[in-house]
Amino acid sequence: GNSVTQMEGPVTLSEEAFLTINCTYTATGYPSLFWYVQYPGEGLQLLLKATKADDKGSNKGFEATYRKETTSFHLEKGSVQVSDSAVYFCALIRQAGTALIFGKGTTLSVSS
Amino acid sequence: EPEVTQTPSHQVTQMGQEVILRCVPISNHLYFYWYRQILGQKVEFLVSFYNNEISEKSEIFDDQFSVERPDGSNFTLKIRSTKLEDSAMYFCASSEEDRVLHGYTFGSGTRLTVV
Repeated sequence: GNSVTQMEGPVTLSEEAFLTINCTYTATGYPSLFWYVQYPGEGLQLLLKATKADDKGSNKGFEATYRKETTSFHLEKGSVQVSDSAVYFCALIRQAGTALIFGKGTTLSVSS
Repeated sequence: EPEVTQTPSHQVTQMGQEVILRCVPISNHLYFYWYRQILGQKVEFLVSFYNNEISEKSEIFDDQFSVERPDGSNFTLKIRSTKLEDSAMYFCASSEEDRVLHGYTFGSGTRLTVV
């Protein structure tokens, strides 16, 4: 079936550190891949997306590249800020599907 | 910026009672969804709704659940006889026709506590 696996959290970093959150997926066909972010007390917000192999999604300094050969979509940021503290969810939509399938989420905590 | 609005933000109900969770999707969106997140677990898809009918549902969405768009603006999730394990955060979302290009917009959620 279709599924998303994310690295276990929490991830604790100091401000300006480099961030990587790993995400791998299992899906038939060619899914579209997403990262969503959930700030405390808020809903899920789309952070970035990629719709085909080798696409790179980017937003607010975050990046992720769709790697079909490794079925991965790792999230990276060169220099995190305290305001980046949130829960990050990797997700996919399978081809011709409507359901977003989420990973378990990774909590990021950034301290100054 | 347009928002998806969910009410109430928190609801407490007794086991066996019916609950209705309400959502107002973005007005020009065509697809509507419900997801839930049990505390500490992943966000799970429940159902998608398009053109006044269910377009996809998960195995979680059994006969205890139903959805409705009663008046062209609201989108509701009804749980007929709540169980303790229905306690979760329920998220409503909506999207345009091209949900991959434009993405989904989520509400802030309703925390349902079944006691």
